[in-house]
Amino acid sequence: GNSVTQMEGPVTLSEEAFLTINCTYTATGYPSLFWYVQYPGEGLQLLLKATKADDKGSNKGFEATYRKETTSFHLEKGSVQVSDSAVYFCALQLPNFGNEKLTFGTGTRLTIIP
Amino acid sequence: EAQVTQNPRYLITVTGKKLTVTCSQNMNHEYMSWYRQDPGLGLRQIYYSMNVEVTDKGDVPEGYKVSRKEKRNFPLILESPSPNQTSLYFCASSFSGREQFFGPGTRLTVL
Repeated sequence: GNSVTQMEGPVTLSEEAFLTINCTYTATGYPSLFWYVQYPGEGLQLLLKATKADDKGSNKGFEATYRKETTSFHLEKGSVQVSDSAVYFCALQLPNFGNEKLTFGTGTRLTIIP
Repeated sequence: EAQVTQNPRYLITVTGKKLTVTCSQNMNHEYMSWYRQDPGLGLRQIYYSMNVEVTDKGDVPEGYKVSRKEKRNFPLILESPSPNQTSLYFCASSFSGREQFFGPGTRLTVL
């Protein structure tokens, strides 16, 4: 079946450190890939996405590249801020008439300390 | 403001007492969906709806019901809640093939 595997958390970094959160996927077909962010007490927000191989999604200084050969979509940011503290979810979506279902990883809690 | 709202945000109840969690969106989205979030499992889809009066099961539908009588509303019904339904619930909506918007979540505890 389709699945997403994320690196285990929690992850704690100092402000301005480089961030990588690993994400790999298993899917039949050609999925779209997403990163969602969940700030404390809030719902999920779309952070970035990529819809085909070699696409790079980017937003708010975060980037992720759709690597079909390694079935990966790792999230990176060059210099994290305290405000980036949140839970990050990698997700995939396959074309499926009528159902826009997202298949999520387990989430990675990120804490940035000043 | 475009948004998905859920009520209540927090609920503590007892086994077997029927409850409804409401979800409403003001974006005229045809697609709506419910997920539950559990530690170590991520989010899993419970039910979804492609449009008014069109609903179908997701991956974990047991113990839940839904209805879609109006485009904006998609309530989640637990007719006889059990402790294993203690979870954080999210409603989501979107236009077909477009970004999904999530509600703020409902934290349910069943004693």
